[in-house]
Amino acid sequence: DVKVTQSSRYLVKRTGEKVFLECVQDMDHENMFWYRQDPGLGLRLIYFSYDVKMKEKGDIPEGYSVSREKKERFSLILESASTNQTSMYLCASSQPQGANTGELFFGEGSRLTVL
Amino acid sequence: DQQVKQNSPSLSVQEGRISILNCDYTNSMFDYFLWYKKYPAEGPTFLISISSIKDKNEDGRFTVFLNKSAKHLSLHIVPSQPGDSAVYFCAASAIRTAGNKLTFGGGTRVLVKP
Repeated sequence: DVKVTQSSRYLVKRTGEKVFLECVQDMDHENMFWYRQDPGLGLRLIYFSYDVKMKEKGDIPEGYSVSREKKERFSLILESASTNQTSMYLCASSQPQGANTGELFFGEGSRLTVL
Repeated sequence: DQQVKQNSPSLSVQEGRISILNCDYTNSMFDYFLWYKKYPAEGPTFLISISSIKDKNEDGRFTVFLNKSAKHLSLHIVPSQPGDSAVYFCAASAIRTAGNKLTFGGGTRVLVKP
């Protein structure tokens, strides 16, 4: 079974803190993604990566950065957390384009509250 | 501007009856469509998909219909079961141009009453 593991299920941080959200997948997938889920807005893509050291902005990258030093690990970084970043964060991975037709495998999510 | 829209935020249906979830999209480059199911405190899980070269795909109790001219797809669940109570997300991808990047709708919360 594909396993995508997010390191923290629940986090509470203060405004201005630096926040790291870690994600690890065990299926040797090339592609990894970070989404955030908010009521009524669905899942919105923050950043994605097609390979180690590569990253591309998604639809809402402002206030976030990412790191992919190893193939299996994709980290989301909030340099200075703000209250509007309170959300559910979902990591996903997939095989490369051409190897499948778009199915993403998601982690269980990290619910972040910024006070 | 949302490229994928699910206009019904919630749906309530009696056990054994049909659930119909709708999804509209605006980007004509989308060529692959997926439905995901999400329980509270869990990540979304893949349910069923359809390529733009088809107009119907069936998997057990789940059928997805695609109307390209209307830029509309729907998910039918027959018969609905209490375990189907979840949030369902429609997603679309432009495989040829954007790889596996999915654009999601806002979700529809389904409640199946016993």
